[in-house]
Amino acid sequence: AQKITQTQPGMFVQEKEAVTLDCTYDTSDQSYGLFWYKQPSSGEMIFLIYQGSYDEQNATEGRYSLNFQKARKSANLVISASQLGDSAMYFCAMRDVRTGANNLFFGTGTRLTVIP
Amino acid sequence: DTGVSQNPRHKITKRGQNVTFRCDPISEHNRLYWYRQTLGQGPEFLTYFQNEAQLEKSRLLSDRFSAERPKGSFSTLEIQRTEQGDSAMYLCASSFRENEQFFGPGTRLTVL
Repeated sequence: AQKITQTQPGMFVQEKEAVTLDCTYDTSDQSYGLFWYKQPSSGEMIFLIYQGSYDEQNATEGRYSLNFQKARKSANLVISASQLGDSAMYFCAMRDVRTGANNLFFGTGTRLTVIP
Repeated sequence: DTGVSQNPRHKITKRGQNVTFRCDPISEHNRLYWYRQTLGQGPEFLTYFQNEAQLEKSRLLSDRFSAERPKGSFSTLEIQRTEQGDSAMYLCASSFRENEQFFGPGTRLTVL
């Protein structure tokens, strides 16, 4: 079975500080992909970063990096130098291998609030 | 290219009415997905198109739901005889590769 767990319903961070959002996953497949999305109050899902299970290095995109620990089945998102515009919901997702569609299977999300 | 677009952005309807949403994917993206997101939850997969062929439908897609993607370009999602439980954000996503999915702004449906 596949499962995505985000245990932090809400997180607060001071502006300009770094923050880590947790994501653990469960899958029996050897080949899988993990995604992080940001959803501001407007509702649009904004793609942040992707990590493939066979990628040897942790993914990075600007201020976003993914702390991928395969043995622990965790894929935490690290946001450096937080900005007020980072306040949003953040979702961790995995490609659903139970279908042939490569659709995504999402966690319940973490609401990040950046404090000035 | 301006990304995935969806229309309308908001729709309020009365129970029992039919509604139709449109999604315009990023050009040249052959894969198109529909998701539904209810309050406090992550998006849930509804259906998938590769070009014009609808290849996957989840159990969430009841008989009242139908989706099309004529000519492999834009897609429509129709809900017939809407129910209050259909109130949600309907999100469309498109991709060309399996390591990406780009979402549109969504259509927020409210069924009174």
